[in-house]
Amino acid sequence: KQEVTQIPAALSVPEGENLVLNCSFTDSAIYNLQWFRQDPGKGLTSLLLIQSSQREQTSGRLNASLDKSSGRSTLYIAASQPGDSATYLCAVRIWGGADGLTFGKGTHLIIQP
Amino acid sequence: DGGITQSPKYLFRKEGQNVTLSCEQNLNHDAMYWYRQDPGQGLRLIYYSQIVNDFQKGDIAEGYSVSREKKESFPLTVTSAQKNPTAFYLCATPSFTGELFFGEGSRLTVL
Repeated sequence: KQEVTQIPAALSVPEGENLVLNCSFTDSAIYNLQWFRQDPGKGLTSLLLIQSSQREQTSGRLNASLDKSSGRSTLYIAASQPGDSATYLCAVRIWGGADGLTFGKGTHLIIQP
Repeated sequence: DGGITQSPKYLFRKEGQNVTLSCEQNLNHDAMYWYRQDPGQGLRLIYYSQIVNDFQKGDIAEGYSVSREKKESFPLTVTSAQKNPTAFYLCATPSFTGELFFGEGSRLTVL
């Protein structure tokens, strides 16, 4: 069964730093991988979706990469801001996976002003 | 605006009561999902529906029930058989590209 691991579980950095969040998965036969942001007490907001045929996706200061062969994805956040403080989750969908995504437990990010 | 609406946002239940959480979407998506989120754990799938009048159990369906009578609606009932129902419940629906969109969630507390 697909397992998704996110490292680190928590991260605190000063404002302005570039940072990388990691996501690894055990089954490389994925259909897509999605990164989400969750603020306390809120639902998940989709940040980036990477299809299996793609290597990366970019949106503003965010860049997500995908390496299926090694079972890894990274989310790069450039010039971090206090408003980026949130929990970031990655999730993967396998081929034929009608039952949705498998989620990691998330990385809790704090950007210090 | 197109989106997913969950209600209520907060719900309190006495032990032995059934409660129903609402999830409505106007995105015209076929599939809908219910997840449960507990502190320190990833999201876990309760039930999912690929099409109207059809639904399947997820990983933790015991103590829950659903219906899918309309494309727009996928209500979740937390029954008295659910032993530990206090949690944050999230409804989601995927677009045709597979991108998953979530509602704002419902927090259920058992008193």
